[in-house]
Amino acid sequence: GAGVSQSPRYKVAKRGQDVALRCDPISGHVSLFWYQQALGQGPEFLTYFQNEAQLDKSGLPSDRFFAERPEGSVSTLKIQRTQQEDSAVYLCASSPTENYGYTFGSGTRLTVV
Amino acid sequence: AQSVTQLDSQVPVFEEAPVELRCNYSSSVSVYLFWYVQYPNQGLQLLLKYLSGSTLVKGINGFEAEFNKSQTSFHLRKPSVHISDTAEYFCAGIFHNTDKLIFGTGTRLQVFP
Repeated sequence: GAGVSQSPRYKVAKRGQDVALRCDPISGHVSLFWYQQALGQGPEFLTYFQNEAQLDKSGLPSDRFFAERPEGSVSTLKIQRTQQEDSAVYLCASSPTENYGYTFGSGTRLTVV
Repeated sequence: AQSVTQLDSQVPVFEEAPVELRCNYSSSVSVYLFWYVQYPNQGLQLLLKYLSGSTLVKGINGFEAEFNKSQTSFHLRKPSVHISDTAEYFCAGIFHNTDKLIFGTGTRLQVFP
């Protein structure tokens, strides 16, 4: 597709439920990033992939958060046993190598009730 | 620590007036700088970026920014704003030897008729 696609657009989860958020990057983009944006805040870095390799996961807030990109294209961010503080918009971005042309998706708004 | 600071959380301005949104970065290493705009319930759209070369960078929608190394600033300017410029604006940086964007907390630009 022409842009970065994220699904679902909205997700309501009961506390304790597991969720999976999907990101389809722009075809051919090597780098893929996940960010968390709490209400009224700037995006916070979660994790970064180059092809299928997860090069940096320093921003993942706990071991309940897990991300994968097994074939170097689509990525999934999984949150286990969701808690209210996980409520946020989760943004995905992709970029070709070395020109810093990050393109962001529209995000998934997660609400934990 | 490497960081990006946006001191103004909100900037109100009348239509057709000039505006400046302030951004400062905190690092002694080389940095690439970006401005993004976020409209309600949408992802981040790149306005402009500074990687190297001329310190005055022109972007989309009539915006421009100037990289000032001595003042560690990258302020965003527009000579005449429109109602449609009402949005959240984020300054972000990529610091030497990393690939991840670090965002400021954002500035809400509110344009009044």
